Amino acid sequence: KQEVTQIPAALSVPEGENLVLNCSFTDSAIYNLQWFRQDPGKGLTSLLLIQSSQREQTSGRLNASLDKSSGRSTLYIAASQPGDSATYLCAVRPLGSKSGGYQKVTFGIGTKLQVIP
Amino acid sequence: EPEVTQTPSHQVTQMGQEVILHCVPISNHLYFYWYRQILGQKVEFLVSFYNNEISEKSEIFDDQFSVERPDGSNFTLKIRSTKLEDSAMYFCASSLTVQETQYFGPGTRLLVL
Repeated sequence: KQEVTQIPAALSVPEGENLVLNCSFTDSAIYNLQWFRQDPGKGLTSLLLIQSSQREQTSGRLNASLDKSSGRSTLYIAASQPGDSATYLCAVRPLGSKSGGYQKVTFGIGTKLQVIP
Repeated sequence: EPEVTQTPSHQVTQMGQEVILHCVPISNHLYFYWYRQILGQKVEFLVSFYNNEISEKSEIFDDQFSVERPDGSNFTLKIRSTKLEDSAMYFCASSLTVQETQYFGPGTRLLVL
C-alpha cells in the first residue's frame, strides 16, 4: 500500500528566503506525482505535475524534482513571498494494473508554510 | 479561466439523513472525481467516473455512496444514510484526460450531527 510522507509538517520562514519541501513515497511504481497548494478552507490548486519519466518541472519560482528510484520529490520555492503561505500537498498516482488502481491517488498530509513579511 | 464549482459550500445534516453534494466540472472535461478530507487528515480518493460509469473507487466508497451525472453539466455525490464519521470536506475534481492535471473545486463542508 502506498504511503506518502511530507516533511516538515510546518515551516516558518522570513520573506525572500529560498526553501525546500520534501515528499517521500514507499512504492516507486508511480505514474506521476503532483504538487498542490491548499489555502485554509479552500480547494486544491495544482502547482506542478511530474510524469514518472521526468526528473523535474518548473513554473515561475517553483521547481519540483522527482527521484522515482529513491521515492522522493522536492518542491523548491525561490524568493518566498507572504502570498506563498499555504499548505503544500504532494500526491502520487500509481502505475496501476490491468485490474485497475490507476486512479487511486494517494496524498501526503501536507507541509504548512508560513512566510513572514 | 474555467473552474470547477461546488454547491452548497456548507451542509449540516442529521445522522441517518441523505445528502446530495453537487459539482459542475469544467465543461470539456471527461473524467470526474470525488475526494474527501476529514479535518486534520489527508485528502482521500473516493471515486472516479468516466463515460457515465464508475471507473475506480476506494474502500471508503461503500454502498452508502453513489455518484451520478444526471445531465451534461452536473456531477453529484449522494450519501444515503449519513454517519457522524462522514463529516468532512468533500472535493470534486475533473480532468480532460486521465493523465492530465485534475482541477479541484472549492469543496463542500459536510457536518453530520
